[in-house]
Amino acid sequence: DAGVIQSPRHEVTEMGQEVTLRCKPISGHDYLFWYRQTMMRGLELLIYFNNNVPIDDSGMPEDRFSAKMPNASFSTLKIQPSEPRDSAVYFCASSLGRGDSMNTEAFFGQGTRLTVV
Amino acid sequence: AQSVAQPEDQVNVAEGNPLTVKCTYSVSGNPYLFWYVQYPNRGLQFLLKYITGDNLVKGSYGFEAEFNKSQTSFHLKKPSALVSDSALYFCAVRDEGFNKFYFGSGTKLNVKP
Repeated sequence: DAGVIQSPRHEVTEMGQEVTLRCKPISGHDYLFWYRQTMMRGLELLIYFNNNVPIDDSGMPEDRFSAKMPNASFSTLKIQPSEPRDSAVYFCASSLGRGDSMNTEAFFGQGTRLTVV
Repeated sequence: AQSVAQPEDQVNVAEGNPLTVKCTYSVSGNPYLFWYVQYPNRGLQFLLKYITGDNLVKGSYGFEAEFNKSQTSFHLKKPSALVSDSALYFCAVRDEGFNKFYFGSGTKLNVKP
């Protein structure tokens, strides 16, 4: 497997524009996590899914943020409208989490560096 | 509530010397503990994990970690540091009930020649 794949790797957009980040998890993984990393706040969990269902979105900062997982192989994180303070690196991660395989690590994608100007 | 603390923002060590990066945790139930490394402009890479069994866990690149239940610690160690070990290190605990990962704030390791 190629690992967790995120696109784009870099995104520069103007304030007010819509931004969509994409993630393809590792095949067979049933948990998917979206994180945001900044110097000030470190690594923050935004939302996570189990079997394509959102379980906890308490980390989503505002209504401007939304995430979907229409199937087991694809997820999106959307920011609309974007603001300069959204500038960060956004990571997607996936893992197993069932039965004996619950004790497994998360695998991270390479991240999307978002810059809102 | 589950949490992870990494008390040191930065650790400096000379190449060839042993290194320790500290981590303490708070968790209800059995702790599932992990260490990750992040190189610049890269994602987090898994190093090692403790689930059960031997308190000394060996992982990638010569790293190991010692689980201490009484001190609720899971310190990362390496007997001889390399300059290429310089990176950001994260400790994490996985919630048994909700499957969430809780990450520490990260420790920057600087290994000087």
